[in-house]
Amino acid sequence: EIVLTQSPGTLSLSPGERATLSCRASQSLRNSYLAWYQQKRGQAPRLLIFGASSRATGIPDRFSGSGSGTDFTLTISSLEPEDFAVYYCQQYGYSPVTFGGGTVVETK
Amino acid sequence: QLQLQESGPRLLKPSETLSLACNVPADSVDNPHYYWGWIRLPPGKGLEWSGNLYSNGGAYYNPSLQSRVTMSVDKSKNQLFLTLTSVTAADTAIYYCARGPITSLGVVMPFDSWGQGALVTVSS
Repeated sequence: EIVLTQSPGTLSLSPGERATLSCRASQSLRNSYLAWYQQKRGQAPRLLIFGASSRATGIPDRFSGSGSGTDFTLTISSLEPEDFAVYYCQQYGYSPVTFGGGTVVETK
Repeated sequence: QLQLQESGPRLLKPSETLSLACNVPADSVDNPHYYWGWIRLPPGKGLEWSGNLYSNGGAYYNPSLQSRVTMSVDKSKNQLFLTLTSVTAADTAIYYCARGPITSLGVVMPFDSWGQGALVTVSS
């Protein structure tokens, strides 16, 4: 099973600041099959990024993904009030599918 | 936006069987361009994949649940089902059904549509 480790656990930032979230895999992910989701309290997860760097339909361009192999990053270039949420990475190239433990982006 | 809705008993006792249904759009459960999954969110923890079901009937489950979990469909009712036997308090979670696309090259993509989730509590 591939273990995904997300860091930091919590990120305290202000609106307008840049957020950088990390996801490290226990082994290299083939074809960069890495996705990022956003989940707000009481809501279902929303797909942001797939294939490590491709934005899903309707996702603003302030969200960007990068990385390959074992190290991946989600960057939010300038935080909007609605971006404060929990973010999860997921690998979907190997079974079982696994998720990271999540990063909470909270208001400073 | 695709509408998915989970339903089923929300309070179970230890050793009982969890049974959830997910209403999906008509004629979509056997569409080969999509697959279906169940994911859960235990309180205070992260997302945990339970399993995937494909239009050809193939199913893949999380090894941590392998012996207890079954996913199935009822095409006549446009419903997806999750069954989890011998539940314990550790199975308390919000359970989501979700859909993911499969590309023309057969690549399984991440879940792009999710239900609102059903909180299932296991308590004596």
